Amino acid sequence: DAGVIQSPRHEVTEMGQEVTLRCKPISGHDYLFWYRQTMMRGLELLIYFNNNVPIDDSGMPEDRFSAKMPNASFSTLKIQPSEPRDSAVYFCASSPGLAGGQNEQFFGPGTRLTVL
Amino acid sequence: GENVEQHPSTLSVQEGDSAVIKCTYSDSASNYFPWYKQELGKRPQLIIDIRSNVGEKKDQRIAVTLNKTAKHFSLHITETQPEDSAVYFCAASAHGSSNTGKLIFGQGTTLQVKP
Repeated sequence: DAGVIQSPRHEVTEMGQEVTLRCKPISGHDYLFWYRQTMMRGLELLIYFNNNVPIDDSGMPEDRFSAKMPNASFSTLKIQPSEPRDSAVYFCASSPGLAGGQNEQFFGPGTRLTVL
Repeated sequence: GENVEQHPSTLSVQEGDSAVIKCTYSDSASNYFPWYKQELGKRPQLIIDIRSNVGEKKDQRIAVTLNKTAKHFSLHITETQPEDSAVYFCAASAHGSSNTGKLIFGQGTTLQVKP
């Protein structure tokens, strides 16, 4: 298995532009998580899905952020319009599920977003 | 709400010495406690985890201990090497009213091992 796949790996955009980050979880994993990492705030959970259904989006900073999971093998995180303070590394992670207590999360390589 | 506190935020040790990182958690229903290592520019990767039915787990030079009564757990690295230099995150499973699969992460500890 290739692990969790994220694209793009790097994104540089200008303030006000729409940004779409993509994630392909590990096949067979029931859970998908989106995190944001900055020096100031550390690793923050933005939203997570179970079987393609959003379970908890309380970490989404504001309405400019939205996430979807149209099927078990694909998720997007969209920022519209983007602002300089959105600059961060965005990680996607997936987890097998809770059967047998399988909480382990596998992280993708991350997308480094820079908003100018 | 659910919270995980991690200390220290930075730790510098001499090669060969031991390093200890401590975490406390607030959700008494938490039953899974992983530790992740993140090297510079890389993704967080699981290095060891422990479940609430055991008090200690070892894997070569790393070990984790858990005290459920006090709601704290620790990572111990012995005979540290320069390649152990990284940011380490602890986490605890979040439950609330059900087992959700969510993890609450600590703030991270930057470990520097000086040769």
